[in-house]
Amino acid sequence: SAVISQKPSRDICQRGTSLTIQCQVDSQVTMMFWYRQQPGQSLTLIATANQGSEATYESGFVIDKFPISRPNLTFSTLTVSNMSPEDSSIYLCSVGISGTYEQYFGPGTRLTVT
Amino acid sequence: QQQVKQSPQSLIVQKGGISIINCAYENTAFDYFPWYQQFPGKGPALLIAIRPDVSEKKEGRFTISFNKSAKQFSLHIMDSQPGDSATYFCAASKGSNYKLTFGKGTLLTVNP
Repeated sequence: SAVISQKPSRDICQRGTSLTIQCQVDSQVTMMFWYRQQPGQSLTLIATANQGSEATYESGFVIDKFPISRPNLTFSTLTVSNMSPEDSSIYLCSVGISGTYEQYFGPGTRLTVT
Repeated sequence: QQQVKQSPQSLIVQKGGISIINCAYENTAFDYFPWYQQFPGKGPALLIAIRPDVSEKKEGRFTISFNKSAKQFSLHIMDSQPGDSATYFCAASKGSNYKLTFGKGTLLTVNP
């Protein structure tokens, strides 16, 4: 498995501002992902964070709104840009363990946009 | 298009009983089927997973049953405990790309 931390754990932000969420893993991993979980809902994949190249976004998510960085094999950031109340969600990073199919999640960042 | 359908949406079980949650998938290319347990305010935790080459996998009180021909899989929690009260998500992925497609979740309540 892997130990995953996220910062901040929660935040309350004003409409129109941006927030950057950090994800740190305790070991080098090939695959890192960002998911969104709206209140009381399931998880939706936003993008795959690729080390050394641009992130791969899922349908409905765009780089201008959710820019992602992955400078190395243990760290990634997700920025939620120009926020609106509809962006209020839990944002989760996850990692895939090489040689297995297993995927582990961080504790999440609870974002409220007012 | 919802590729993984999960039922029931909520489930109430008495302590010591069996909890059963079902999932059905559409994409025959899926070849990895995990279950996640999520407590309020926490990230999902990998509970147990199965590949299509076996029909059942058991870990402690948790068992996955898998029916490839019916494209269905289920989670059984034996001797359910109040501490099992959580939301359970089934998921599926294709190959080792790790991209998980989740069911909508089941809120399990185990009464003491």
